[in-house]
Amino acid sequence: DADVTQTPRNRITKTGKRIMLECSQTKGHDRMYWYRQDPGLGLRLIYYSFDVKDINKGEISDGYSVSRQAQAKFSLSLESAIPNQTALYFCATSDAPGQFSTDTQYFGPGTRLTVL
Amino acid sequence: GENVEQHPSTLSVQEGDSAVIKCTYSDSASNYFPWYKQELGKRPQLIIDIRSNVGEKKDQRIAVTLNKTAKHFSLHITETQPEDSAVYFCAAKLSGSARQLTFGSGTQLTVLP
Repeated sequence: DADVTQTPRNRITKTGKRIMLECSQTKGHDRMYWYRQDPGLGLRLIYYSFDVKDINKGEISDGYSVSRQAQAKFSLSLESAIPNQTALYFCATSDAPGQFSTDTQYFGPGTRLTVL
Repeated sequence: GENVEQHPSTLSVQEGDSAVIKCTYSDSASNYFPWYKQELGKRPQLIIDIRSNVGEKKDQRIAVTLNKTAKHFSLHITETQPEDSAVYFCAAKLSGSARQLTFGSGTQLTVLP
């Protein structure tokens, strides 16, 4: 789904470095999410945002921060990367609840992050 | 909060056979249960969902059943094909609320030719 894009697609970094992952969407959705995927653990929610002024912690927010620069942009930062943050990161969007909206989440292509 | 358990973690079937993946949830208020398919190297994509006002929903070879009393729901794939090989995730939430989607841990389905 080209409507949700992520950059970079792959990143290798070293322990202690600051990293930013970016997500953009053209779907016009208000809600955006950052997930982390690890083998055997499914998709775990890091942070989510319902609009530009709304930021909420998810299940595993420690060590991460986010910024919602505009309706279409939601960035995830690792202030000081550590090896156990090595994972596949997905951004997702969904529509706000409403008569004609659904709860469907649309995922970006993912960013594979390796922290050495 | 919601907790979703998914079984099995891996499943191998012969092409043409059926596959069943089961999930249980903990929050009786949840009323929206989607299933996502993630092919190798790709993003998760919704394949089917069910809301708690129905007990079963079908879309060609896939179907989802829901038992609200027992708090479990299942994905059924009939006449499996090699292209069905993927990781499947179940999820649950209270639709339209601020509660977030909680995912199961995933099932790696392999369809053997």
